[in-house]
Amino acid sequence: DTGVSQNPRHKITKRGQNVTFRCDPISEHNRLYWYRQTLGQGPEFLTYFQNEAQLEKSRLLSDRFSAERPKGSFSTLEIQRTEQGDSAMYLCASSLVPLAGVTNEKLFFGSGTQLSVL
Amino acid sequence: SQQGEEDPQALSIQEGENATMNCSYKTSINNLQWYRQNSGRGLVHLILIRSNEREKHSGRLRVTLDTSKKSSSLLITASRAADTASYFCATDAWYGNKLVFGAGTILRVKS
Repeated sequence: DTGVSQNPRHKITKRGQNVTFRCDPISEHNRLYWYRQTLGQGPEFLTYFQNEAQLEKSRLLSDRFSAERPKGSFSTLEIQRTEQGDSAMYLCASSLVPLAGVTNEKLFFGSGTQLSVL
Repeated sequence: SQQGEEDPQALSIQEGENATMNCSYKTSINNLQWYRQNSGRGLVHLILIRSNEREKHSGRLRVTLDTSKKSSSLLITASRAADTASYFCATDAWYGNKLVFGAGTILRVKS
C-alpha cells in the first residue's frame, strides 16, 4: 500500500493557461474522488468515479473543468482557461466500495496539488 | 455546499488537557467520519461511526453520535502537541455517494 499519490504538489500558472493534475489512487480501490479546498474551509466535492465511469459532478465543476479516469486506474483533472478564483488545493481521494454497497467507507487522501493562478 | 458545521472554529489548549469538538449536520446519514489535516497536507481518516451506533472509541479518541439532534462530538483525551491540526467531520448522506465535509475546527495544543 503506497498510498494516494498526487502530482504536481504545487502549480503556479498565469490566468488563462490550462493546467492538468494527476492522481494515482491505491491500486485496488474502485472509487476515486476529487475535492477542492480553499483556505479555512473544508474540502468541497467536485466529482467521483466508480472504476472508469464518472458518476457524479458537482455544480462547482464548470465547463472549464474536466476529469478522466481511463481504465479505472489513475485520474487527471484539467482546468482550462484558469481564473484567479481557481486558486485552491485540489485533493484526490480513493476508497474501496463493495459493488452492492452504497455507503462510503473511509477515504484515503493524497497530499493534494496546490494551485496558484496569478 | 457543506452539510457539517463544526464548533468551535478554533480551540487552544495545554498539553495534557482534553479537547472536544462538535459537529452538526442537516440530513439523515449512513455514517459520520472524522478526519485530521495537518497544515498543507491531505486529510487522514480518524474514526467512523455508523448511524445505528451511539459511541465509539479508538485509542485517545471518543466519538459520540446523536441522530435525533443530528450532531456528533469528537473528544481527544490527554492531548499532545502533535495533535495540533484541523479536524473535520464528514457525513455520508443516505441519498448520496460522496462524503460532505464541514468547515473544520482548528486545534492548537501548546506544550
